[in-house]
Amino acid sequence: AQSVTQPDIHITVSEGASLELRCNYSYGATPYLFWYVQSPGQGLQLLLKYFSGDTLVQGIKGFEAEFKRSQSSFNLRKPSVHWSDAAEYFCAVVFSSGAGNNRKLIWGLGTSLAVNP
Amino acid sequence: DTEVTQTPKHLVMGMTNKKSLKCEQHMGHRAMYWYKQKAKKPPELMFVYSYEKLSINESVPSRFSPECPNSSLLNLHLHALQPEDSALYLCASSQAWTNSGTDTQYFGPGTRLTVL
Repeated sequence: AQSVTQPDIHITVSEGASLELRCNYSYGATPYLFWYVQSPGQGLQLLLKYFSGDTLVQGIKGFEAEFKRSQSSFNLRKPSVHWSDAAEYFCAVVFSSGAGNNRKLIWGLGTSLAVNP
Repeated sequence: DTEVTQTPKHLVMGMTNKKSLKCEQHMGHRAMYWYKQKAKKPPELMFVYSYEKLSINESVPSRFSPECPNSSLLNLHLHALQPEDSALYLCASSQAWTNSGTDTQYFGPGTRLTVL
């Protein structure tokens, strides 16, 4: 079955430090890739997405992600973390295998980010 | 504008109550979704509406009844819920529900439901 893995359940970084959150997906049909962020008690906000073209994607709030097909990865990065970035981060994938339920978003289990002052 | 609104923000109900959750978007999107999310877990898809018709029901118990009165509104009617149904209920919308895989979903803030 197609799947998405976020290997890090919880990450703590210091404010101002760089950040990389990992996302791997199972090999299969062409993936369409998304990163969402969820602040405590809030809904999900789209950070960025990748469909095709340049494999380095810029998003909101200073985030970027790089699609690496050879590694089946779509890691999220930020050069300097702010305290307000503390949140839950979800990677999600749609595999373009066509109709019906295959168009659903398949979610990773999330990475919880804590930021130390 | 990528805003999806949901009301109420919080809802507490007893197991014999009937209540409804509401979702609205004015982005001209023709696909709308209901998700259930437990704490520290990813969202679980419940229903998908495409052009106001139910396209996907993920084997959701009948005590949850969705309704799409028009292209901007989505309701979730609740009846005889169980305590384990307590969760954050998220609504989302996208331009369409297609085979392309590129239908970006935009989420509302959710309704925090507690069933006593």
